[in-house]
Amino acid sequence: EAGVTQFPSHSVIEKGQTVTLRCDPISGHDNLYWYRRVMGKEIKFLLHFVKESKQDESGMPNNRFLAERTGGTYSTLKVQPAELEDSGVYFCASSKGRNTEAFFGQGTRLTVV
Amino acid sequence: AQSVTQLDSQVPVFEEAPVELRCNYSSSVSVYLFWYVQYPNQGLQLLLKYLSGSTLVKGINGFEAEFNKSQTSFHLRKPSVHISDTAEYFCAVSAVRDDKIIFGKGTRLHILP
Repeated sequence: EAGVTQFPSHSVIEKGQTVTLRCDPISGHDNLYWYRRVMGKEIKFLLHFVKESKQDESGMPNNRFLAERTGGTYSTLKVQPAELEDSGVYFCASSKGRNTEAFFGQGTRLTVV
Repeated sequence: AQSVTQLDSQVPVFEEAPVELRCNYSSSVSVYLFWYVQYPNQGLQLLLKYLSGSTLVKGINGFEAEFNKSQTSFHLRKPSVHISDTAEYFCAVSAVRDDKIIFGKGTRLHILP
């Protein structure tokens, strides 16, 4: 069974550009989460989908970040326009139900220059 | 709100020696506790978790952790480390009625030959 897959693994963009990160959860997992780790800091929660609905988006830093999960399958996280402080590793995780194990992807390393 | 403190950012230890990675948490509500591991160039993997019951929890790769409610600690231990244990280890909590995971800053375990 395939795990959580994230694309791309690395992305280097210039300040002001747009980047879209993609996450494919494990098949059948209704819960999908986005987290981010800025260098030297802890991994921080961004948001949580249950199927296609946003259950909790309290961690989204500002309105330059837009997450979608159309059809309740894969999810995208768009950053527009990107700023230097958006650099970091973006992790996606999925779980089958509430309080069940969350499986993490390998992350997307975003560098904004 | 919950918070996690990992007291050591880096821990060097000789191969086959025992190791303890320290973790303290803060929460006003009941929590679940986790340890995740990130091996080089890989995603986050669940090492072990405490949901309820026995305070001594055994995980994968010979690791174990003990939940101490009075000291609000969840230290991770292994009696004899191997070079393959080189990784970054994250302590994490989530409120029982919440799916959001709160991570510590991580501890890098360096195994010395």
